Amino acid sequence: DVVMTQSPLSLPVTLGQPASISCRSSQSLVHSDGNTYLNWFQQRPGQSPRRLIYKVSNRDSGVPDRFSGSGSGTDFTLKISRVEAEDVGVYYCMQGTHWPPITFGGGTKVEIK
Amino acid sequence: EVQLVESGGGLVQPGGSLRLSCAASGFTFSSYAMSWVRQAPGKGLEWVSAISGSGGSTYYADSVKGRFTISRDNSKNTLYLQMNSLRAEDTAVYYCAKDHITIFGVVIADDAFDIWGQGTMVTVSS
Repeated sequence: DVVMTQSPLSLPVTLGQPASISCRSSQSLVHSDGNTYLNWFQQRPGQSPRRLIYKVSNRDSGVPDRFSGSGSGTDFTLKISRVEAEDVGVYYCMQGTHWPPITFGGGTKVEIK
Repeated sequence: EVQLVESGGGLVQPGGSLRLSCAASGFTFSSYAMSWVRQAPGKGLEWVSAISGSGGSTYYADSVKGRFTISRDNSKNTLYLQMNSLRAEDTAVYYCAKDHITIFGVVIADDAFDIWGQGTMVTVSS
């Protein structure tokens, strides 16, 4: 199974400042079809997960452009250019290249300092 | 509006059974694979099971293989998860999620996991 490792576990951020979350996979996430199936999700307190980014860097409809995804192979990053209060929650990366099983990272909790 | 609504959760004793349902609307249900994902209290997300659009192919996490059965009724736009031999470690919120679509044998995953239900809580305890 592909192990997804996120860091940091917790990320205190000042409002208006940038934030960066790392996600590393135990093997390359490049699929035989050439795509890299790495998604990012946001889970606000008490809510269901919401997809933010698909295939590494494609932002979902309605997702603010302060969110961006990048990376390749085994190393991926989610960046928030300027953190807002509504960004508080837990962020998960997920790989869908080598499945079953689909695997998630352990999560990164973003909170306001 | 694209929507998934889970139901069927509750309190069950260890060794007991429960069937979860997920009613879909707003998209062509039969065209999409569907998945169940769970989240134990205070923990992260764990993929549980998936089923193809036709229902002909099913997949399970090792932790539930042999105990859980995923199925779907495309005439009712409904996904199911039959859970047997439940254990305390199965206690979690269970989410259904829209998964990928397969067109002429090609998997298109751009929309995979873009829609989630609100979740239903399953508590396994005596």
